[in-house]
Amino acid sequence: DARVTQTPRHKVTEMGQEVTMRCQPILGHNTVFWYRQTMMQGLELLAYFRNRAPLDDSGMPKDRFSAEMPDATLATLKIQPSEPRDSAVYFCASGLVRSGYTFGSGTRLTVV
Amino acid sequence: QKEVEQNSGPLSVPEGAIASLNCTYSDRGSQSFFWYRQYSGKSPELIMSIYSNGDKEDGRFTAQLNKASQYVSLLIRDSQPSDSATYLCAVKAGSGGYQKVTFGTGTKLQVIP
Repeated sequence: DARVTQTPRHKVTEMGQEVTMRCQPILGHNTVFWYRQTMMQGLELLAYFRNRAPLDDSGMPKDRFSAEMPDATLATLKIQPSEPRDSAVYFCASGLVRSGYTFGSGTRLTVV
Repeated sequence: QKEVEQNSGPLSVPEGAIASLNCTYSDRGSQSFFWYRQYSGKSPELIMSIYSNGDKEDGRFTAQLNKASQYVSLLIRDSQPSDSATYLCAVKAGSGGYQKVTFGTGTKLQVIP
């Protein structure tokens, strides 16, 4: 089965450190999303790429978060500097325009 | 008003019963509707998609869409303990090259053996 691969699965870091999360979307999918999930807020859209171009990153705190797709097989989400309130599960999902999306296993981030 | 609203639950049903999960959305231009299942500690998994008014059946699952009422539901027949999970409603809206998917906060379903 095709799947979305995310690394790392777990990350514990100290406040102020840089965190980079990586995602390999399913081959052929032209739409890639980054979501953050917390108990309080549920799934929040952070960034959205279509054919590697960023279409929406309005959900991201711009001063510390950045998202890129250097090529069709890699999407990255970076937090610099990280803060305790960034602790959450970060999901990458990929799909096609009219379809639903396939989620990766997520990166569980803990900032202490 | 939230863009996609779901009752957080938990919704408890006995094994073998029908579980009914509901979702309302605010954007009348919404075009595509999805149900995801998420087990605790796991990622969301797409289980149903529906694009036009009416019912869509897949095994024990039936999705129902009423665009006039801005309402979408998921029925699970013959509920099993393995169906215990959080069910997320997702709504896609937009036009041209930009379509945004918004998720509800999910309804937790508990199927009691």
